[in-house]
Amino acid sequence: KNQVEQSPQSLIILEGKNCTLQCNYTVSPFSNLRWYKQDTGRGPVSLTIMTFSENTKSNGRYTATLDADTKQSSLHITASQLSDSASYICVVSGGGSARQLTFGSGTQLTVLP
Amino acid sequence: NAGVTQTPKFQVLKTGQSMTLQCAQDMNHEYMSWYRQDPGMGLRLIHYSVGAGITDQGEVPNGYNVSRSTTEDFPLRLLSAAPSQTSVYFCASSYGGRAIDTQYFGPGTRLTVL
Repeated sequence: KNQVEQSPQSLIILEGKNCTLQCNYTVSPFSNLRWYKQDTGRGPVSLTIMTFSENTKSNGRYTATLDADTKQSSLHITASQLSDSASYICVVSGGGSARQLTFGSGTQLTVLP
Repeated sequence: NAGVTQTPKFQVLKTGQSMTLQCAQDMNHEYMSWYRQDPGMGLRLIHYSVGAGITDQGEVPNGYNVSRSTTEDFPLRLLSAAPSQTSVYFCASSYGGRAIDTQYFGPGTRLTVL
């Protein structure tokens, strides 16, 4: 069964600090991996997407990495801001269709002043 | 553009009641989908549509019906609500139905079934 595991479940950091969120997956075949940001009470918003041939992609202060061999991805947030407080969801595609997405349960990040 | 809109934002039902969750998008997207989000779990696909008049089941379709009479609207119907359907429901749309197409999510409907 396809699975996406995220760690940690929750994380608290101080404003200005960096942090790294992890995503391990057992989805096969692998098509692409996307990170979403979900603010409290809102729908997820896409941050970045990577195919198997990409190992790093940045979006402002967010940098995602992918190791397709070990089936691991990370999301690094640099110089965190209060607005980064949200749930970060890793989504892996096991095929070419949007109906073949497997969602992780997310990492809840809290940035304190 | 309003993007993806959902109504209502909150709803409380009694067991056995029926209701329709509304979803609309103004981006002329062909692909639309419904997910439910439960604590400690990833989003799970309920139903999806690749265009007007075409719908299909996702991972957890039991107890739900959908229709797609127009490109813009994709309502989700709960036929006879059960406590197990207590969840947050998200509608999403994308230009195409490929995994690489970015899905745009609505704000969600928080449903409680008593």
